[in-house]
Amino acid sequence: EVQLEQSGAEVKKPGESLKISCKGSGYIFSSYCIGWVRQMPGKGPEWMGVIFPGDSDTKYSPSFQGQVTISVDKSINTAYLQWSSLKASDTAVYYCARQFRYYYIGMDVWGQGTTVTVSS
Amino acid sequence: QTVVTQEPSLTVSPGGTVTLTCASSTGAVTSGNYPNWFQQKPGQPPKSLIYTTTNKHSWTPARFSGSLLGGKAALTLSGVQPEDEADYYCLLYYGGAQVFGGGTKLTVL
Repeated sequence: EVQLEQSGAEVKKPGESLKISCKGSGYIFSSYCIGWVRQMPGKGPEWMGVIFPGDSDTKYSPSFQGQVTISVDKSINTAYLQWSSLKASDTAVYYCARQFRYYYIGMDVWGQGTTVTVSS
Repeated sequence: QTVVTQEPSLTVSPGGTVTLTCASSTGAVTSGNYPNWFQQKPGQPPKSLIYTTTNKHSWTPARFSGSLLGGKAALTLSGVQPEDEADYYCLLYYGGAQVFGGGTKLTVL
């Protein structure tokens, strides 16, 4: 069974750094992209970017370019989303989703989500 | 800034048919936008329903179908069930980035 397991909820202060993870299982991790999606409270999802574990090629939405970093460690089938300096406006649920090799085709399996709360 | 627009809300009776649409601020939606559709229920992650305009995942019920209609992407539900009450989002590709629509809240009443 294809699964994406995300790391647990985080509570952080503004200015702190954070790295959350998404571990894939049940498929050849290097053969599919992993996308990241933000969903702020009460709002719709927003596509943040995607990485192909095979060669670490990464694409970002213009809205998130420079705000976050997407990375991967294919040796442990895990993708990451990180911030160097969190803001209160980063409070949201973050989902990872498996995207096809050619990511624009779309997504199929989703992680359960990681809730990030940034508050002083 | 590309904007993808969906109907904010729609209501349908059980057993009825409803079509949700997805429009692009850049012009007509085409197959080159690779439309995807997702269903989301409260407290759950989105669930993928349709990819590349018309293709269903193995778990997608047969009553869901995707198409292009009048310059928009469309998701049609035929024989709506009470469990179809949810938020629905489309996703379009724009040569590098993907953009979600604002979502449609579907009420089954």
